[in-house]
Amino acid sequence: AQKVTQAQTEISVVEKEDVTLDCVYETRDTTYYLFWYKQPPSGELVFLIRRNSFDEQNEISGRYSWNFQKSTSSFNFTITASQVVDSAVYFCALSEDSNYQLIWGAGTKLIIKP
Amino acid sequence: DTGVSQDPRHKITKRGQNVTFRCDPISEHNRLYWYRQTLGQGPEFLTYFQNEAQLEKSRLLSDRFSAERPKGSFSTLEIQRTEQGDSAMYLCASSQGFSRWGNEQFFGPGTRLTVL
Repeated sequence: AQKVTQAQTEISVVEKEDVTLDCVYETRDTTYYLFWYKQPPSGELVFLIRRNSFDEQNEISGRYSWNFQKSTSSFNFTITASQVVDSAVYFCALSEDSNYQLIWGAGTKLIIKP
Repeated sequence: DTGVSQDPRHKITKRGQNVTFRCDPISEHNRLYWYRQTLGQGPEFLTYFQNEAQLEKSRLLSDRFSAERPKGSFSTLEIQRTEQGDSAMYLCASSQGFSRWGNEQFFGPGTRLTVL
């Protein structure tokens, strides 16, 4: 069965600290896609990144970076030099090639204190 | 504006009333999804369409919930005889099917339903 686990319910750090959000997934498919979404206090889910199961190359986009490791079924998200505007709930999600649904984690609430 | 839009943004209704929400997807997207999200939880999948065909509806929460996408463009989600437990944010998303990049979904701002 497919499942996404975000064990960190809430993380609070001081601005400019680095922070890593964990995501562990379960799937039986060999082809699948992993996603991160951001949900700021305004409520709208914002797409951040997609990764497919055949591409384990890590990705960096500005202060954001993602570490995909199939060996540990993890797709972790790191924010470097965090800013108050990064405060939001972050969701990790999984989509299998055989299934159109997005399977969501419970989300991690990130609080960046000034 | 090329994003997903939803109307209304907020709806307050009395228990037992029927409500209908509308979603307009990104114009070139052929897949449309409905989710429900309650406070502190991730989105919960309800149903999805590919063009006008509703390909998955077993996750609709009860027979009080129904969705349509009559011409493969906008969609409506109706809740009949609302109950207080229906209070939640209802999210719509769309995606371009048959993409080699997987099922990347773009979300609308949601409709927040409050049932009194």
